[in-house]
Amino acid sequence: ETGVTQSPTHLIKTRGQQVTLRCSSQSGHNTVSWYQQALGQGPQFIFQYYREEENGRGNFPPRFSGLQFPNYSSELNVNALELDDSALYLCASSKSAGGLGEKLFFGSGTQLSVL
Amino acid sequence: GENVEQHPSTLSVQEGDSAVIKCTYSDSASNYFPWYKQELGKRPQLIIDIRSNVGEKKDQRIAVTLNKTAKHFSLHITETQPEDSAVYFCAASIKNKLIFGAGTRLAVHP
Repeated sequence: ETGVTQSPTHLIKTRGQQVTLRCSSQSGHNTVSWYQQALGQGPQFIFQYYREEENGRGNFPPRFSGLQFPNYSSELNVNALELDDSALYLCASSKSAGGLGEKLFFGSGTQLSVL
Repeated sequence: GENVEQHPSTLSVQEGDSAVIKCTYSDSASNYFPWYKQELGKRPQLIIDIRSNVGEKKDQRIAVTLNKTAKHFSLHITETQPEDSAVYFCAASIKNKLIFGAGTRLAVHP
């Protein structure tokens, strides 16, 4: 086990709705990254949070947003859900914001289904 | 662009045989190359990683090699066991993010 916990484990939403996913980072880790993993594909980087600020973003639209709290836990918010948002959302924590390659430890993910 | 290609997409071996998965990356600035194993319905687990100042790293039955000139890196699993069956992902770092390959589904048959 990595110590990274995510909630909820599964979620079903309809198009147009909004969703909030939560992540608690591993003890001693101050950086949280979010990844989207579509079925049969590798994880894709959404964004990273370091010291409560967004620290890099992938090719995702602004309706994907996030927060990091003083205890380093994090939220991923997705507005105006689309069918293609159906995926496994993975949170990963690391000791720092990834200079010379920080090891990422993943949570078990939230499986989001958009109907 | 930022891209990691991974081959093969599926790999079937007999127990005891070796398995090799290969990846190529596009960004010469990449300096960290982890490999993750993901079993069905579970989280990706880091199994081995290598940094750009090293050409090879071994941990028991698994090893990773890196050719920075060719932008290639490979995962080698020896003496495969049924519990090695999973999807394996390679990744390359670009700044503070990982770019993942599409995965290799490895099946080890008893």
